[in-house]
Amino acid sequence: NAGVTQTPKFQVLKTGQSMTLQCAQDMNHNSMYWYRQDPGMGLRLIYYSASEGTTDKGEVPNGYNVSRLNKREFSLRLESAAPSQTSVYFCAGAADNEKLFFGSGTQLSVL
Amino acid sequence: ILNVEQSPQSLHVQEGDSTNFTCSFPSSNFYALHWYRWETAKSPEALFVMTLNGDEKKKGRISATLNTKEGYSYLYIKGSQPEDSATYLCAFTNDYKLSFGAGTTVTVRA
Repeated sequence: NAGVTQTPKFQVLKTGQSMTLQCAQDMNHNSMYWYRQDPGMGLRLIYYSASEGTTDKGEVPNGYNVSRLNKREFSLRLESAAPSQTSVYFCAGAADNEKLFFGSGTQLSVL
Repeated sequence: ILNVEQSPQSLHVQEGDSTNFTCSFPSSNFYALHWYRWETAKSPEALFVMTLNGDEKKKGRISATLNTKEGYSYLYIKGSQPEDSATYLCAFTNDYKLSFGAGTTVTVRA
């Protein structure tokens, strides 16, 4: 049972490049989330998906897009990366309004 | 944006001592309050999900209380051990959107 799997674990981009962070869960979670973690700021919600086929903005959605491809997968796309998007990104899943299960994180650097 | 505040930002505890810290959140439209433990180089792991005013939860030496009417929750660590060193996050939700506080970092000195 893999839980919540994020890829890649590390990525370096140049300003203006695009990339997609992948997240998949095998826990049959309805809800999935993308957070970013910056020093001194805790976890900030980028986007979430309460169920398959729905997505909603979180606290810091600008510069990102998401796709809930199916119940298992929730991807985060940076269309034109900026240095301000250098961060650690966490994907998480949950059954309805229950505890979150987190992936192992993606460390992204934008030069 | 849901305003979730944690205090203090950090604290140091002597091994064997007990400690507690606070999470405050909006008292309107409450649905649930979560506590997570986050060790360095790992991912956050859930400790408690609390939904009822007056709720108390316990897991080993760690416990939490909840006051939804005044909008605060306390996390207690009894008899702190070095393995309790971590950042403790609380998160508030009034629907599916879960907003986190910045965390309290606990360092237990042997």
